[in-house]
Amino acid sequence: KNEVEQSPQNLTAQEGEFITINCSYSVGISALHWLQQHPGGGIVSLFMLSSGKKKHGRLIATINIQEKHSSLHITASHPRDSAVYICAVQAYNTDKLIFGTGTRLQVFP
Amino acid sequence: DSGVTQTPKHLITATGQRVTLRCSPRSGDLSVYWYQQSLDQGLQFLIQYYNGEERAKGNILERFSAQQFPDLHSELNLSSLELGDSALYFCASSVSGRAGGRDEQFFGPGTRLTVL
Repeated sequence: KNEVEQSPQNLTAQEGEFITINCSYSVGISALHWLQQHPGGGIVSLFMLSSGKKKHGRLIATINIQEKHSSLHITASHPRDSAVYICAVQAYNTDKLIFGTGTRLQVFP
Repeated sequence: DSGVTQTPKHLITATGQRVTLRCSPRSGDLSVYWYQQSLDQGLQFLIQYYNGEERAKGNILERFSAQQFPDLHSELNLSSLELGDSALYFCASSVSGRAGGRDEQFFGPGTRLTVL
């Protein structure tokens, strides 16, 4: 069993829909990261969370430390949101990241 | 633009060869991380350097080595290359390397290595 599990693996949406991507992990963590990888390959850091909730524009990330679960929400999705979204956890007392397998999101106009 | 630079962008080489990938961290960042992204293994942590010293090691093969120089740029050396080493190699940097510190990591654009 992977230490970081993401669901769904693939997601298709119509423009304007509300999107949720889930991440569960099984190790103690210092922080959880949400990353975005576009088709060109580049990786962008979206959020780093250690508790609660963060919002940036149409993106919202939440984490529940007790349940070892995080969600990434995209409100009013847009075709430019099409990318792979990767959850990564920073294991407790280290800096190394353990990655989920990613969720491929396609948003159609 | 994350401020992290990697060269080269693409590298095509043959089995058995040796290559060097280069990474320059964001100005002021002391930690550099190397990651490998292959089709079958996904993203994996290879190694971390902090201010010139190795800080943490992950799934890095013995054929691979890295170092961080006094100007904080880092190089990842891959030798005796095999077909399975074909992957995207990313470096990332963060401000500190304090173990368990909650530092955002900024990723470079990656180097795509193809071994033929």
